[in-house]
Amino acid sequence: GENVEQHPSTLSVQEGDSAVIKCTYSDSASNYFPWYKQELGKGPQLIIDIRSNVGEKKDQRIAVTLNKTAKHFSLHITETQPEDSAVYFCAATSLANQAGTALIFGKGTTLSVSS
Amino acid sequence: DAGITQSPRHKVTETGTPVTLRCHQTENHRYMYWYRQDPGHGLRLIHYSYGVKDTDKGEVSDGYSVSRSKTEDFLLTLESATSSQTSVYFCAISESAPGTGELFFGEGSRLTVL
Repeated sequence: GENVEQHPSTLSVQEGDSAVIKCTYSDSASNYFPWYKQELGKGPQLIIDIRSNVGEKKDQRIAVTLNKTAKHFSLHITETQPEDSAVYFCAATSLANQAGTALIFGKGTTLSVSS
Repeated sequence: DAGITQSPRHKVTETGTPVTLRCHQTENHRYMYWYRQDPGHGLRLIHYSYGVKDTDKGEVSDGYSVSRSKTEDFLLTLESATSSQTSVYFCAISESAPGTGELFFGEGSRLTVL
C-alpha cells in the first residue's frame, strides 16, 4: 500500500520568512495530494490540494508543487505569519490497501512562526 | 464549519471495558470515516462508511468495529479497550468518494485507557 513520508517533523521560522514542507509517496497510481492544517485542539482542515494532471497550484501565500516522476510534492508558505503556526499534514491517495481508495497521511510537521 | 459533532469529547476508561464514540453530521454527506491520531504516526484510518450499513476496514482496524444505521450517525466501538487504544479519535465526512476530495473533520475525541 501507499507510504507517505513527510519532512521535516518540526520547522521554526521568523515571521516574514518562507516555509517549505516536503512529502514523498510510494504508490505511482496516486492522483490526489491534499494538505491539511491542524490548529491546537481542533480537527485538521484542508488548505490546498493538487491533482496529478497539474504541476503547481497557488492560493495567495500558499502553493503546492508536484513532481510525479520523482513521486514527491511540497507545500510552500510565503511571508509567514504567527497564525500560520500549526501542524501540517500531507496526504496521498492509496489505491492498493485494504480500504481501497483512501487518503494516507504523513506524520505531520509542526510549524512555529516567531514574531 | 461543517456540521460534525463528536461525543464524548473526552473519556477516561479502564482496560477491558467497552467504549463507543459517536459521530453525528448534519451535512448529509455519504461518506464517513474514523481516524486515530497519535504522536509520531499522524492520522491513520480505522474504518470508513460509504452508506447506511456499508462499511469497510482501514489500515488500523483491529480491535475496532463500526456501525452506521442512519446517514447522519457513525459509531466507533472498542469492544474491550486496551492501553494501546489511548488516542485522539477524529471523525471525518466527505461528499466525494474516498481519496478524491475534501475531508471535513470533527473536533476530536480524546480517549484515555488506564
